Amino acid sequence: GAGVSQSPSNKVTEKGKDVELRCDPISGHTALYWYRQSLGQGLEFLIYFQGNSAPDKSGLPSDRFSAERTGGSVSTLTIQRTQQEDSAVYLCASSHHQGYNEQFFGPGTRLTVL
Amino acid sequence: SQQGEEDPQALSIQEGENATMNCSYKTSINNLQWYRQNSGRGLVHLILIRSNEREKHSGRLRVTLDTSKKSSSLLITASRAADTASYFCATDDSNDYKLSFGAGTTVTVRA
Repeated sequence: GAGVSQSPSNKVTEKGKDVELRCDPISGHTALYWYRQSLGQGLEFLIYFQGNSAPDKSGLPSDRFSAERTGGSVSTLTIQRTQQEDSAVYLCASSHHQGYNEQFFGPGTRLTVL
Repeated sequence: SQQGEEDPQALSIQEGENATMNCSYKTSINNLQWYRQNSGRGLVHLILIRSNEREKHSGRLRVTLDTSKKSSSLLITASRAADTASYFCATDDSNDYKLSFGAGTTVTVRA
C-alpha cells in the first residue's frame, strides 16, 4: 500500500521567503508528526496531530513555524520569513494510533535557505 | 531534547561480521524502537521492544532491553553492504507519545 508521501522533495528558497511543506499520511492513520533533522543530527520533534484533538505544538522553534492538518489527513507545515538556520530535512510520520506508536516516515523535504 | 544516546557514533565492519550498537536513555519508557536511515532521508522502522520485554528478534536483527540500566542494544548479524546506514533508537516517555531520537550510529559495511 501507499506509504507516507511528502512534497516537494527538495526546496531551495531565499532568506525571508515563506515556504509550505506538505505531508500525506498513510490512509487511516490518526496520528501525524513533523520532525526536523539538521545535518548529522538526530530528529527534533516539531508538532503532533492526533485525530480532532488540539495539536501539540510544543516543539515548534519559533512563531514563524505553523502547521495545520485538514480533514484529519493531509498536513502542511509553513515556515514564514525563512532563515538560514531553518535549512534542514523536514520529516513527516504517521502512526495508526497513539498507544502502539510505531511511526511510518515519509522521505522528507530537504529545505535549503540561501 | 534527545533522550536516547547511541554508542558508538560510527562503526565500520567487514561484510559478514556482526555489528552491535547501544542506546542509553534517561526516563522510564513504554517502548523503545530502532530505525534505520539511508542517505539522510526517511527513516524505516526496524523493531519495537516493549518495556516488559527483554529481547526480540527480527530476521538478522536482535534487540535487547535492560530497563534497570536504561539501555538497549541492536545487533545486526552477518552484515551486508546494504546494511550501511545510520541507526537510531527512539523512546517514548511513559507519560508522552512523542518519540525522542538519539543522534544515531553510522554503520559502514565494507564489501
